[in-house]
Amino acid sequence: DQQVKQNSPSLSVQEGRISILNCDYTNSMFDYFLWYKKYPAEGPTFLISISSIKDKNEDGRFTVFLNKSAKHLSLHIVPSQPGDSAVYFCAASGMNYGGSQGNLIFGKGTKLSVKP
Amino acid sequence: GAGVSQSPRYKVAKRGQDVALRCDPISGHVSLFWYQQALGQGPEFLTYFQNEAQLDKSGLPSDRFFAERPEGSVSTLKIQRTQQEDSAVYLCASSLWYLAGEDTQYFGPGTRLTVL
Repeated sequence: DQQVKQNSPSLSVQEGRISILNCDYTNSMFDYFLWYKKYPAEGPTFLISISSIKDKNEDGRFTVFLNKSAKHLSLHIVPSQPGDSAVYFCAASGMNYGGSQGNLIFGKGTKLSVKP
Repeated sequence: GAGVSQSPRYKVAKRGQDVALRCDPISGHVSLFWYQQALGQGPEFLTYFQNEAQLDKSGLPSDRFFAERPEGSVSTLKIQRTQQEDSAVYLCASSLWYLAGEDTQYFGPGTRLTVL
């Protein structure tokens, strides 16, 4: 049973427009969420994170929104650029989660294509 | 500074062979994680070290998998008697704090293992 779900395997957006990537989770013990970007043949690169005590975190063109009641988070990229084309992974962890101290639970990823 | 490095980047093994995968974490990082990423999936947790102590190995799929970090820095993941289902990308990540609940994990490029 997947605890972190990214229901859209792919997303295509025009350059300059907004990209919205979604992620849902089922375990209410998660209290820290991260987004990673992955290019082919490279490891995941950290993008942005959010703690459960916040509902928004912004870093340049990237903003993550957290809706705890809905167990939903989203990553907004504005404006989207062709270099943003990659696979984006949502990940969750929590100190009180039954797993290890902070091991991440990942979604399956969403492949973003930004067209010029 | 230098990021997480892994070697080899690619490894082809015949079924039944033993393999050893190396991870050099970011200098000074206390926590080290190993993940396995199958094709089309997100990374899945294998094991976690805090310095030289292996605090969680709940994700190791069988007793053929063994990991160590004897001096609290470099780590090796060993797979004995490899099987075709072991084919995957093996990712190593490190983070600064031992209470890793809200700490960012930085990933290496991964080792792609193919078992023939």
